[in-house]
Amino acid sequence: DAKTTQPPSMDCAEGRAANLPCNHSTISGNEYVYWYRQIHSQGPQYIIHGLKNNETNEMASLIITEDRKSSTLILPHATLRDTAVYYCIVRVAKTGGFGNEKLTFGTGTRLTIIP
Amino acid sequence: DVKVTQSSRYLVKRTGEKVFLECVQDMDHENMFWYRQDPGLGLRLIYFSYDVKMKEKGDIPEGYSVSREKKERFSLILESASTNQTSMYLCASSYRRTNEKLFFGSGTQLSVL
Repeated sequence: DAKTTQPPSMDCAEGRAANLPCNHSTISGNEYVYWYRQIHSQGPQYIIHGLKNNETNEMASLIITEDRKSSTLILPHATLRDTAVYYCIVRVAKTGGFGNEKLTFGTGTRLTIIP
Repeated sequence: DVKVTQSSRYLVKRTGEKVFLECVQDMDHENMFWYRQDPGLGLRLIYFSYDVKMKEKGDIPEGYSVSREKKERFSLILESASTNQTSMYLCASSYRRTNEKLFFGSGTQLSVL
């Protein structure tokens, strides 16, 4: 699976949009981009994933560049509860047989929401 | 809501002891995973299982074994605990279908003295 690069830490003011970048310049055509986050003392939580189109759900939006070499996770109106470590992961999409046998996490971006 | 339950939140063991970490999920997921998390190293996959009695090594299986006798339960075993196995252990599960998300437990903080 392709390697990702994220900034180690970021700050964002409460109520503003938090934009978390991720570089995955070696991504292959069949690899998805996943985002998870980990709030202190909890296990990671799934946020969103996508292949090439932008995606949005109730938690966040995922913007993937046209060349797919980078992506941005957007939390539109950050709250203090969004303070967490955010992980960007790329993984091969299996088309048959076994599905997602493994997901490789890096060290992520520590996002701090400032009151 | 999916629930992944790990038997202990905190555990303290002595060097050389055999340690069992238990994980139970209630969503009939085929896949189950054990990760460990250490400061500065992120999450690292120890073992995973895609079916009952099946197991696959992850990135750091040395010093660990696993057991999956029932679909809902996945156990991580430290045959002879060592101090370098002091860590946060996280269990996760998912459906086998492609691109399914992982659901994690809250973790077990294991200290080996």
